[in-house]
Amino acid sequence: EAGVTQFPSHSVIEKGQTVTLRCDPISGHDNLYWYRRVMGKEIKFLLHFVKESKQDESGMPNNRFLAERTGGTYSTLKVQPAELEDSGVYFCASSQESRSNEKLFFGSGTQLSVL
Amino acid sequence: QKEVEQDPGPLSVPEGAIVSLNCTYSNSAFQYFMWYRQYSRKGPELLMYTYSSGNKEDGRFTAQVDKSSKYISLFIRDSQPSDSATYLCAMRTGGFKTIFGAGTRLFVKA
Repeated sequence: EAGVTQFPSHSVIEKGQTVTLRCDPISGHDNLYWYRRVMGKEIKFLLHFVKESKQDESGMPNNRFLAERTGGTYSTLKVQPAELEDSGVYFCASSQESRSNEKLFFGSGTQLSVL
Repeated sequence: QKEVEQDPGPLSVPEGAIVSLNCTYSNSAFQYFMWYRQYSRKGPELLMYTYSSGNKEDGRFTAQVDKSSKYISLFIRDSQPSDSATYLCAMRTGGFKTIFGAGTRLFVKA
């Protein structure tokens, strides 16, 4: 069974440009999460999808970030326009069941560098 | 004040040693406590999960939760070089948002 897949693994862009990160969750997993780790900080929650619906986007930093999950399958996270402080590792995670003790499966992350 | 405090290390131990990793937290509403292991250039992988207070053992790993002290621990017995990784404590209330500690880098020397 394939795990959570994220693409690209690395992205280097200039300030002001647009970047789109993609996440393919494990097949059949209704829950999809985005997390982010900026340099020297903890991994922090960005948002949570259940199928195609956003359940909680309280962690999204600002309106330059837009997440979508079309058809309840893969998800994209777009940053437009990117700023220096957006640099970090963006992780996607998925889980099968919507309960507090669900097991999250993480992807390897996308390392985003904004220059 | 951070919700979860974790010493980033690094922690270096000889092979075969017992490793103790710890986190403290401030939010008494946390009920679910996890330990994740993260190898370089990989995502976090769930290692141990504990609900409320108590101990849980899985092979060489033991997780302890003391809610009265707001303190959780992970013990690794007979540590191996393959245990070298970053260990992240993580917690949840009854919701779906996971709060992570900063992670402790562990090096086990052969």
